Amino acid sequence: NAGVTQTPKFRVLKTGQSMTLLCAQDMNHEYMYWYRQDPGMGLRLIHYSVGEGTTAKGEVPDGYNVSRLKKQNFLLGLESAAPSQTSVYFCASSYGGGAAEQFFGPGTRLTVL
Amino acid sequence: DQQVKQNSPSLSVQEGRISILNCDYTNSMFDYFLWYKKYPAEGPTFLISISSIKDKNEDGRFTVFLNKSAKHLSLHIVPSQPGDSAVYFCAASDTGNQFYFGTGTSLTVIP
Repeated sequence: NAGVTQTPKFRVLKTGQSMTLLCAQDMNHEYMYWYRQDPGMGLRLIHYSVGEGTTAKGEVPDGYNVSRLKKQNFLLGLESAAPSQTSVYFCASSYGGGAAEQFFGPGTRLTVL
Repeated sequence: DQQVKQNSPSLSVQEGRISILNCDYTNSMFDYFLWYKKYPAEGPTFLISISSIKDKNEDGRFTVFLNKSAKHLSLHIVPSQPGDSAVYFCAASDTGNQFYFGTGTSLTVIP
């Protein structure tokens, strides 16, 4: 089992460019999440999904869109990147909500110039 | 405003002794609490969880204590080992869907 994988691992964008981050999990989990981690801020939830075809906003959703067309994939899109979106992005999945363990991917380091 | 706070950015403990990491929260509706460990350049890994119907949960060397009236939880690691050196995050949620994370405590276990 690969667990949770994220593509790409690193990316540099110019302001205004767009990109999509891909998260894939092979554990048949229903729930998937996108977080960002900034220095001194901990992890903040961007968007999450409780099942295929569903998405919901988290704590910091502005400037991002997501899609969950297949159960195993959760895509995070930046339509027009801004320097404030420079961060490390983590994807996670879990079999359910509540106190269920979330399994995290290795992260994507994004720099927006 | 930070709903989950870890007021100690760092902690150093001697190998074999107890490590106590603290976490405070402001939302009395939070019912689910998780602790994660994170090494540099890796994603967080789950350690232990607790829901509000309990005040203690144990898993091997790790024990989490929850004091709902004080809106406080703590993670105890006994005995501490050098491999426990990492950043520890607590996270809390009311619905069990959206979790709020603290800013982390960097634990160093000295051999």
